[in-house]
Amino acid sequence: EAGVTQFPSHSVIEKGQTVTLRCDPISGHDNLYWYRRVMGKEIKFLLHFVKESKQDESGMPNNRFLAERTGGTYSTLKVQPAELEDSGVYFCASSPHTWKADHRRNTGELFFGEGSRLTVL
Amino acid sequence: AQSVTQPDIHITVSEGASLELRCNYSYGATPYLFWYVQSPGQGLQLLLKYFSGDTLVQGIKGFEAEFKRSQSSFNLRKPSVHWSDAAEYFCAVGSNTGFQKLVFGTGTRLLVSP
Repeated sequence: EAGVTQFPSHSVIEKGQTVTLRCDPISGHDNLYWYRRVMGKEIKFLLHFVKESKQDESGMPNNRFLAERTGGTYSTLKVQPAELEDSGVYFCASSPHTWKADHRRNTGELFFGEGSRLTVL
Repeated sequence: AQSVTQPDIHITVSEGASLELRCNYSYGATPYLFWYVQSPGQGLQLLLKYFSGDTLVQGIKGFEAEFKRSQSSFNLRKPSVHWSDAAEYFCAVGSNTGFQKLVFGTGTRLLVSP
């Protein structure tokens, strides 16, 4: 079974340009998450999709970031225009269950991709 | 607000020696605690988790962690480190309203010397 895949693995762009990151979750996983790690700091939650709906986008830094998950399969995260402080590693994760759905059978595990490293010059 | 502190940025351990990685959390209620590992070229992988019950939890790859409420700690241990354990380790906490929205520590990079 394929794991969570992310593309590109590394992107180098100039300030003001646009970048789109893509995440393909594990097949059948309704829950998809985006996290970000800025250099040397902690990994921070950005947002959570349940199927195609945004369940929680409280971690999105500002309106330069747009996440979509059309059809409830893969997701894209667009940064437009990119700023220097957007540099970091963007992680995608997926899981089959939500906490609210049934916490007794929820393994509590997120399956992470390798991350997309974004460098803004 | 929840927070996680991993006080050690880097740790170097000799192969075969024991390992303890520290993690302290801040959360008002019973936390849901996790350790993830990221090996080079890999995504984050769950090592173990604590939800309730026995405070000593066993994970994959021979790791274990102990939840100590009085110390707000969830330290990761391994009795004998292998060279393949060299990686970055992340402690994380989730709440009972959505533990999949994790709060991570800054990570500890483990180097294993021969």
